[in-house]
Amino acid sequence: KAGVTQTPRYLIKTRGQQVTLSCSPISGHRSVSWYQQTPGQGLQFLFEYFSETQRNKGNFPGRFSGRQFSNSRSEMNVSTLELGDSALYLCASSGRWQTTDTQYFGPGTRLTVL
Amino acid sequence: DQQVKQNSPSLSVQEGRISILNCDYTNSMFDYFLWYKKYPAEGPTFLISISSIKDKNEDGRFTVFLNKSAKHLSLHIVPSQPGDSAVYFCAASLSFGNEKLTFGTGTRLTIIP
Repeated sequence: KAGVTQTPRYLIKTRGQQVTLSCSPISGHRSVSWYQQTPGQGLQFLFEYFSETQRNKGNFPGRFSGRQFSNSRSEMNVSTLELGDSALYLCASSGRWQTTDTQYFGPGTRLTVL
Repeated sequence: DQQVKQNSPSLSVQEGRISILNCDYTNSMFDYFLWYKKYPAEGPTFLISISSIKDKNEDGRFTVFLNKSAKHLSLHIVPSQPGDSAVYFCAASLSFGNEKLTFGTGTRLTIIP
């Protein structure tokens, strides 16, 4: 079974720009969650989508948004980038009610804001 | 407000000995706890979990202990192997199946051959 894939793997943007990151979950998984990892902060939950609906949301400003498509693929968008948005963005998928296991993470997208 | 804390940013252990990684939490509503391992350039990999109704869960070389009254959990790795060198994150959720995980900041474990 193919794992969670994220594209692109690396991205460099400048302040004020916007960026879109993509995540393809494991086949059959309908829940996709997004996390931001920065040094000293660990992984912080951004949001979770299930069946194209946002089910959970973390404490991030409205510049961070996401969506999920009917094939469970998810995108995350950050508008008006700030230097502090430089981080590793991880997505994770799970079968939610289909399995008793937990979230499987992708390798992440490393975003650098200059 | 860091609800899940890993106070040791790094830990070095001799190969073959026991590695003990610690984690404290402040939210008494957390009901389900997990440990993840992360290698550079890879996403975190699930290791082991424990429900709040248990105080111990074992899986091979990995054992997680939960002390609810102290709001403390620990991961024991016995015996430690060089491949165990990685960053370990503990995480908590309000219930099993709740995808919103609150993570600690991680502990870098180095196994010395």
